[in-house]
Amino acid sequence: GQSLEQPSEVTAVEGAIVQINCTYQTSGFYGLSWYQQHDGGAPTFLSYNGLDGLEETGRFSSFLSRSDSYGYLLLQELQMKDSASYFCAVNNQGGKLIFGQGTELSVKP
Amino acid sequence: GAVVSQHPSRVICKSGTSVKIECRSLDFQATTMFWYRQFPKQSLMLMATSNEGSKATYEQGVEKDKFLINHASLTLSTLTVTSAHPEDSSFYICSATASDGTDTQYFGPGTRLTVL
Repeated sequence: GQSLEQPSEVTAVEGAIVQINCTYQTSGFYGLSWYQQHDGGAPTFLSYNGLDGLEETGRFSSFLSRSDSYGYLLLQELQMKDSASYFCAVNNQGGKLIFGQGTELSVKP
Repeated sequence: GAVVSQHPSRVICKSGTSVKIECRSLDFQATTMFWYRQFPKQSLMLMATSNEGSKATYEQGVEKDKFLINHASLTLSTLTVTSAHPEDSSFYICSATASDGTDTQYFGPGTRLTVL
């Protein structure tokens, strides 16, 4: 079977750091991607890890441990506009993406 | 770069009618496009993989005769929801893979379908 687990919701305050964890169990694995989706909008690509370790892109970083089937997205210096849903997704054979259920992040002033 | 558009953005139709949704890659060629469906507050569920010049590959549980996919060119894929019913009401999103070696998927803005 294919499954990805991530927290359903997270709340943090402006300026804080938040980490969204993702564990996965899939029959194939080429990498872990992270997407952001605002209400009613399209998912936008944030980060990708094909190998173990940390990838940093501005305020966002993503980490992968293939041996633990685990990754996380780290958001620093939170801003109100970061309130959105965040999805981890496993990159699978044929370029397919298998999405987690999403984490709704609420940033409070 | 890597912009994907969808048309229409919203559509309301009567039960039993068919609806066509277009997905275009505007500034790159996409040999592969994907179609997803997303219900409110839920995840994106892959419906099918659309390959230019060949038949689409459908995920388990997706009716290929109900959701017709055509990928006639390297920049256009269409999804036709045939004989739509209220339970087909959903947010339909396409994505295209950029040919930059990363397999990154770029998503269209989505189409909100409401079947009355």
